[in-house]
Amino acid sequence: NAGVMQNPRHLVRRRGQEARLRCSPMKGHSHVYWYRQLPEEGLKFMVYLQKENIIDESGMPKERFSAEFPKEGPSILRIQQVVRGDSAAYFCASSRDKAFITDTQYFGPGTRLTVL
Amino acid sequence: AQKITQTQPGMFVQEKEAVTLDCTYDTSDPSYGLFWYKQPSSGEMIFLIYQGSYDQQNATEGRYSLNFQKARKSANLVISASQLGDSAMYFCAMREGSGTYKYIFGTGTRLKVLA
Repeated sequence: NAGVMQNPRHLVRRRGQEARLRCSPMKGHSHVYWYRQLPEEGLKFMVYLQKENIIDESGMPKERFSAEFPKEGPSILRIQQVVRGDSAAYFCASSRDKAFITDTQYFGPGTRLTVL
Repeated sequence: AQKITQTQPGMFVQEKEAVTLDCTYDTSDPSYGLFWYKQPSSGEMIFLIYQGSYDQQNATEGRYSLNFQKARKSANLVISASQLGDSAMYFCAMREGSGTYKYIFGTGTRLKVLA
């Protein structure tokens, strides 16, 4: 009964380095969403992916950020050349095969990125 | 544009009493879902309750119930018989039926249950 898995739970990077955040959805789920939460704020949508496809990346910064969800393996959120403003909690959520309006998104524990 | 508003940044409630956390929303889509999540200090997001725009009855899940007033566009969370473990941030979220079903989150309410 594994839920959504995210790793690492905590990640520290220096400015200019790359950050890779991984997300394994719940078993049977093929829809993955990434959200970012800045301190004392609500979650903000970044990107929605299905297997091998980016469906909606309207919330993703145009530069330095990319996401993928390969046929095999976890979804990856990649941040290149990190800056201090990237420090936040990054949550992944997944929903089951058919993304009906009633489908609940189940969240992982989040990755807390700190940029020094 | 779709929007979620939580006007209470912080709330206190005495243990064993009920508390209502407010949430109003704005959307032009007739089909939508409303969700409440709990975020304890450990940081994870825990799903609590769901209400669909076409649901005739208010949703209930154990001690959680959702006071859904469609005409007023409000979806308040009611927690009955509060427990110390209910102390957390609570987020209201909306998902529209069109588009890609992304969630729009409110800014949250921090609830503190007093012994």
